[in-house]
Amino acid sequence: AQTVTQSQPEMSVQEAETVTLSCTYDTSESNYYLFWYKQPPSRQMILVIRQEAYKQQNATENRFSVNFQKAAKSFSLKISDSQLGDTAMYFCATLYNAGNMLTFGGGTRLMVKP
Amino acid sequence: GAVVSQHPSWVICKSGTSVKIECRSLDFQATTMFWYRQFPKQSLMLMATSNEGSKATYEQGVEKDKFLINHASLTLSTLTVTSAHPEDSSFYICSALVNRERDYGYTFGSGTRLTVV
Repeated sequence: AQTVTQSQPEMSVQEAETVTLSCTYDTSESNYYLFWYKQPPSRQMILVIRQEAYKQQNATENRFSVNFQKAAKSFSLKISDSQLGDTAMYFCATLYNAGNMLTFGGGTRLMVKP
Repeated sequence: GAVVSQHPSWVICKSGTSVKIECRSLDFQATTMFWYRQFPKQSLMLMATSNEGSKATYEQGVEKDKFLINHASLTLSTLTVTSAHPEDSSFYICSALVNRERDYGYTFGSGTRLTVV
């Protein structure tokens, strides 16, 4: 079975500072996708960033970037210049072509403090 | 990007009644949809996978007779909670696989908060 682990249940960061959320996963697949989703208090799941495993270059989306270490099976999310609107639950997830099933981590609750 | 519309956003029903939740893909064809349940401060728990035109596949421990899933078209999947009980109160989220190169992955509905009284 595929597993995704987020070792930080809760984190906090001051506004405008940088924070990194950790994620590790376990798989024997060679081709897969990795995602970070944000779930604000509205509970709408919002895609933050996506990474294809076959791409060595780390994905970036404005203030959000990832550190993808394929050999270590690590996929951390860095949020730069944190904003109050970044306060949310963040879920790391993997998607394997073979199963087409998304596997979620347990989530990290991020609080951005003014 | 691909959009999934989920309705209702919240519903309150009496014990013993049934509730239907709908998810529609608005700008793409969703051959596969997924239904999740989420308890407060927890991750999403996959309940079942529905494929257009065929029976849904339920995860272990999920009662298929209580949670009826229908995926009759490429744009609509429904989850019916039958004979609802207070323990069925939860947040239900649908998701569809977007099988397009430019945005391959999942897109989610906005969720339905079900309260059974």
